[in-house]
This record gives sequence, structure tokens and C-alpha cells, in this order.
Amino acid sequence: GQSLEQPSEVTAVEGAIVQINCTYQTSGFYGLSWYQQHDGGAPTFLSYNALDGLEETGRFSSFLSRSDSYGYLLLQELQMKDSASYFCAVKAASGGSYIPTFGRGTSLIVHP
Amino acid sequence: EAGVVQSPRYKIIEKKQPVAFWCNPISGHNTLYWYRQNLGQGPELLIRYENEEAVDDSQLPKDRFSAERLKGVDSTLKIQPAELGDSAVYLCASSPPWDSHEQFFGPGTRLTVL
Repeated sequence: GQSLEQPSEVTAVEGAIVQINCTYQTSGFYGLSWYQQHDGGAPTFLSYNALDGLEETGRFSSFLSRSDSYGYLLLQELQMKDSASYFCAVKAASGGSYIPTFGRGTSLIVHP
Repeated sequence: EAGVVQSPRYKIIEKKQPVAFWCNPISGHNTLYWYRQNLGQGPELLIRYENEEAVDDSQLPKDRFSAERLKGVDSTLKIQPAELGDSAVYLCASSPPWDSHEQFFGPGTRLTVL
């Protein structure tokens, strides 16, 4: 099976930088994705890492270390609208197909 | 471009009743997913379609859940009979054939079973 661990809640102030960690245990690993979900809304895709290293997209960056089964999402210049839940998700092989598995999510609370 | 469309947005039923959810994916997306999301949890995959073929349904409770995607476009997820524990948000997502790791989610159907 697959399992992912991420903190349940993170708080930060506007303008700050915050890092949300994700560790995973899986076989047949393809890559790690990050999604944002506001209360009552649909998850929206933020980033995907298949190879080790840092991927930057505007204020958001995502990092992956395959050897450590670890990744993180880095949010810079935090804004109030960044308050949401953030999910890491692994894409892993399963019986000739693949199953996307999501973590339980990290609730980010941004204070003014 | 229209996003993933789901209906209904909300559904309240009594236990043992049947219920169905409908999803229309983004045009050209041949991969379609159904997820269940419980409060405070991440989405849990129920079934994945490649065109009209269900390629991964290992996590679908087949005693009461069924799904179909007859023409490889729209899809329907059914529960019969519903149980109290089925209360959750049912999300549909789709992805294009050239980029399967980015999923586009619909707004979901919030099901309440009384």
C-alpha cells in the first residue's frame, strides 16, 4: 500500500514564507503532486515533481528527494487568500496501472 | 474552456435509498476519476477510467457502488443502497492524455445520508 504523512495544520503571518512537508511510503513511485483546496471548493493543481530538485512556479515552489521519500511545498510572500488546505499526492504504479493517492491535507492559516 | 461539470451539487437522502451522481469531464480528456472525500481528509480514489474502460476500480465498494462511462465521455456513479457512512463529497476529475499527472477537479457533490 501507499501512505503519506503531512502536518495537519500550519499557521503563518501575511508576507512570510511557509514550508509544508510530505513524506511518503510507496512502491513504484512516479511522482509527487501538490493541490490546493479552499473550504467548499474543488482541489486545484499546483505542481508536480518526478525528478529530484526544486520546481518554481511564481510564489509557489515544490521540492522532491526520491532517495528520502520526501517532498515539500514552499509558499512565499503569503497572502490571506493562501489560507486553504494543501494536499500532497503520489502517483505510483499498481498492477500495471497507477493509483493517485492523496495525503490527509495540511490546513494553512494565514494571519494578518 | 468549460471545466469539469458535476450534478447535483448537493443531495440529501435517507439511508437505503439509491443515489446517482453525474460528471461531464473537460472536452478531450480521456482519463476520468471518481473520488470520495470525507471531512478533514484527502480525496480517496474510487475508480479511474481510460476512455470507456475502467482501469482501476480496486477501491470501489462493489457491493453497493457502480459506475459507468458508456461513450467514454460522461460518467455516472451510483450508490444503491446508501448507508449513513456514505455521507461525503464525491469529486470527479479528468486529465488530458498528454499530461496525466495534472487532474482537473469538478466542484463535487455533497451527499448527506440521513
